[in-house]
Amino acid sequence: QSALTQPASVSGSPGQSITISCTGTSSDLGTYNYVSWYQQHPGKAPKLMIYDVSNRPSGVSNRFSGSKSGNTASLTISGLQAEDEADYYCTSYTSISTLVVFGGGTKLTVL
Amino acid sequence: QVQLVESGGGVVQPGRSLRLSCAASGFTFSSYAMHWVRQAPGKGLEWVAVISYDGSDRYYADSVKGRFTISRDNSKNTLYLQMHSLRAEDTAVYYCARSPRHIIITLGGAIVPPNFDYWGLGTLVTVSS
Repeated sequence: QSALTQPASVSGSPGQSITISCTGTSSDLGTYNYVSWYQQHPGKAPKLMIYDVSNRPSGVSNRFSGSKSGNTASLTISGLQAEDEADYYCTSYTSISTLVVFGGGTKLTVL
Repeated sequence: QVQLVESGGGVVQPGRSLRLSCAASGFTFSSYAMHWVRQAPGKGLEWVAVISYDGSDRYYADSVKGRFTISRDNSKNTLYLQMHSLRAEDTAVYYCARSPRHIIITLGGAIVPPNFDYWGLGTLVTVSS
């Protein structure tokens, strides 16, 4: 069982917007803004998409955005494209001993 | 360009040891914190360990604390993970990853921002008899 809770799957049609949630506790993303999101295509290494809740690294499309409210962080992808189909993981610093926790991952299917 | 290349994976029996390496190039290795993150087959990502840019600070996930040691040689631009007392549940692809954020030392302990901006392709470790 992962420390952060994500839906196992989400889907959307090309051009639509989807949101992936990531629920934690007051020991992690509920208190700290050290939240990142990663995209992973099958057989590939993860790619950083969002850091510090809502910041995009250089080169990441502005179709990707992040936010947080209370104990839940969210990744929104607008204007869905076929190449967005991948697994997405949230992660956060945690004040509980293990220091970094990941969500279980969400498989995004573009219909 | 930034490159991280892991090596040292393979099949190992339970209870044995293995050392992974990660060769870095294309950036000033000694300026960055470095991490190991693993992924069991068909499963999600799990953070394993971090080492500060100069090697002075090291932190581990509870699942590997006391069994794994992270280290680095800045003169060789190489990151290491020494793994002892391996278990079946350590079977995974092990990735090294660079972080542009330093470990933050506070009175309450260390804060490790999980920003991993470059990753290697990973090396597979299989623990099986």
